[in-house]
Amino acid sequence: EAGVAQSPRYKIIEKRQSVAFWCNPISGHATLYWYQQILGQGPKLLIQFQNNGVVDDSQLPKDRFSAERLKGVDSTLKIQPAKLEDSAVYLCASSSGENSGNTIYFGEGSWLTVV
Amino acid sequence: KQEVTQIPAALSVPEGENLVLNCSFTDSAIYNLQWFRQDPGKGLTSLLLIQSSQREQTSGRLNASLDKSSGRSTLYIAASQPGDSATYLCAVRPADSSYKLIFGSGTRLLVRP
Repeated sequence: EAGVAQSPRYKIIEKRQSVAFWCNPISGHATLYWYQQILGQGPKLLIQFQNNGVVDDSQLPKDRFSAERLKGVDSTLKIQPAKLEDSAVYLCASSSGENSGNTIYFGEGSWLTVV
Repeated sequence: KQEVTQIPAALSVPEGENLVLNCSFTDSAIYNLQWFRQDPGKGLTSLLLIQSSQREQTSGRLNASLDKSSGRSTLYIAASQPGDSATYLCAVRPADSSYKLIFGSGTRLLVRP
């Protein structure tokens, strides 16, 4: 079974530039998550989708971050304009349902450095 | 607001030693607790999940315990090996918003040959 795919794996941009990350969840998984993990910290949930609807985006900095999940499959996370403090790993994860008992599977992450 | 703390932040042990990683959480109203492993440059892999009604879960050399009333969980690793070197994260699902996972900052473990 293919895992959660993310691209690009690494990105270096200057502050005020924009960047987009792509995620392809495990086939058939209805729930998709984007987490931000700053070095030395645990992951923090940015947004959770159930199919193509948003369940929780309370910690998404909406003035610069946006995410969409068209057709309830792939998702993109965009940052525009980027700030130095956005340097982090952006982890995409998926699970088969919203049920809290479902196992969550993580991708390997997209590493962003803002200089 | 639920907060999860992991102590120590880093740990270095010789191969073969038994060790304990600690996780504490401020609100005992949780749905479940999970332990994850994160290798450098990789995503997270789920190791053990303990439901709020359970006291412990075991998988191979790993044993996780949960004391919900005191807000504590421990991950016990028996006979540690260099391949166990990784960051170990615990995460809780609050009972009132069980779709969320709230993570601690992790313990970086190094097992020396």
